[in-house]
Amino acid sequence: AQKVTQAQTEISVVEKEDVTLDCVYETRDTTYYLFWYKQPPSGELVFLIRRNSFDEQNEISGRYSWNFQKSTSSFNFTITASQVVDSAVYFCALSDAFSGGYNKLIFGAGTRLAVHP
Amino acid sequence: EAQVTQNPRYLITVTGKKLTVTCSQNMNHEYMSWYRQDPGLGLRQIYYSMNVEVTDKGDVPEGYKVSRKEKRNFPLILESPSPNQTSLYFCASSLVSNQPQHFGDGTRLSIL
Repeated sequence: AQKVTQAQTEISVVEKEDVTLDCVYETRDTTYYLFWYKQPPSGELVFLIRRNSFDEQNEISGRYSWNFQKSTSSFNFTITASQVVDSAVYFCALSDAFSGGYNKLIFGAGTRLAVHP
Repeated sequence: EAQVTQNPRYLITVTGKKLTVTCSQNMNHEYMSWYRQDPGLGLRQIYYSMNVEVTDKGDVPEGYKVSRKEKRNFPLILESPSPNQTSLYFCASSLVSNQPQHFGDGTRLSIL
């Protein structure tokens, strides 16, 4: 069955620290998509990245980077030199062909990141 | 501006009084979906629609109905709301299902 686990409920760091948010997923499919979304205190959901299962290259976008490892079923998200504006809840999500033909999106419970000045 | 618009943003109502939360997108997206967000549970999918007149259940469809009569609109209907449906609801859309979704700003429902 599909499942996404974000074991870290809350993380608190001081500005400029690096922080990694963990995401572990379960799927029986060989073809699937992984996503990260950000929910700042204002409440909206902002798309960060989509990765398909055949692309194992790590991604870097400014201070953000993602490490996709199929061997450990993980898709971790690292923020380098964190800033107060990074404070948000971050969600990892999965869709695969087995469950509803990519129509179902399964979210993890989210990790709340607090970055203190 | 590309957007997903939900109304109302906030609603307090009573058990059993039918309500509809509207959702409209202006991006000509085929795929639309409804989620509810509850503390500690993340977002859970209620219903989704692949195109006009094509809808299917997500993981928590009980107590909800949807319709997709036009491409841009995907209303969520609570025929007889109950307190356990108190939650934050999000509508989302994307070109097709495996693409990144655009989310509305959310609707906070309180059922007393």
